Amino acid sequence: GQNIDQPTEMTATEGAIVQINCTYQTSGFNGLFWYQQHAGEAPTFLSYNVLDGLEEKGRFSSFLSRSKGYSYLLLKELQMKDSASYLCAVMDSNYQLIWGAGTKLIIKP
Amino acid sequence: ETGVTQTPRHLVMGMTNKKSLKCEQHLGHNAMYWYKQSAKKPLELMFVYNFKEQTENNSVPSRFSPECPNSSHLFLHLHTLQPEDSALYLCASSQAVEGPYNEQFFGPGTRLTVL
Repeated sequence: GQNIDQPTEMTATEGAIVQINCTYQTSGFNGLFWYQQHAGEAPTFLSYNVLDGLEEKGRFSSFLSRSKGYSYLLLKELQMKDSASYLCAVMDSNYQLIWGAGTKLIIKP
Repeated sequence: ETGVTQTPRHLVMGMTNKKSLKCEQHLGHNAMYWYKQSAKKPLELMFVYNFKEQTENNSVPSRFSPECPNSSHLFLHLHTLQPEDSALYLCASSQAVEGPYNEQFFGPGTRLTVL
């Protein structure tokens, strides 16, 4: 079967760095997405990786290793507004998104 | 604002009621999706429409009935629901169904409670 694993919850301190990991087993691979979802709001797109390596976008970076079935989202200089759930999703060979359950990130002052 | 709107934002209904959820996208996309989001569970894809034609029905019970009159509008008709159907229902759209880098844009969702 297809499976996406990510931690349920993480806590970090304002101004610090946090890494949210995602491992996957899917039928084929057409890219990996990270979305941010604040409570009661729509998920919003953060990043897309289809080749191995690191993609940097401001305070957020996303890394992919296809051989290991592994990705992480790195958030730097954490702000209170970064408190949200972070969803990892993999596009399989049928271009269907397979979703993880999300990681709830709690930022403390 | 993601360019995808959903109404109502909150809905409480009894098991014998009939109601409809509405989604509209203002992005010129050709594909639209319905997802169910339950607490601490992955997003569950329910239905996919591509150019108004349904292309996916992921074993969804018949008490959920989708309708897509055009590429900009999507409905989810609900009848004789069960309490376990209580969840956040998310609508999304994308430029196409197939192809890499097919970013999906989500609406804010309808929080449904079935009593």
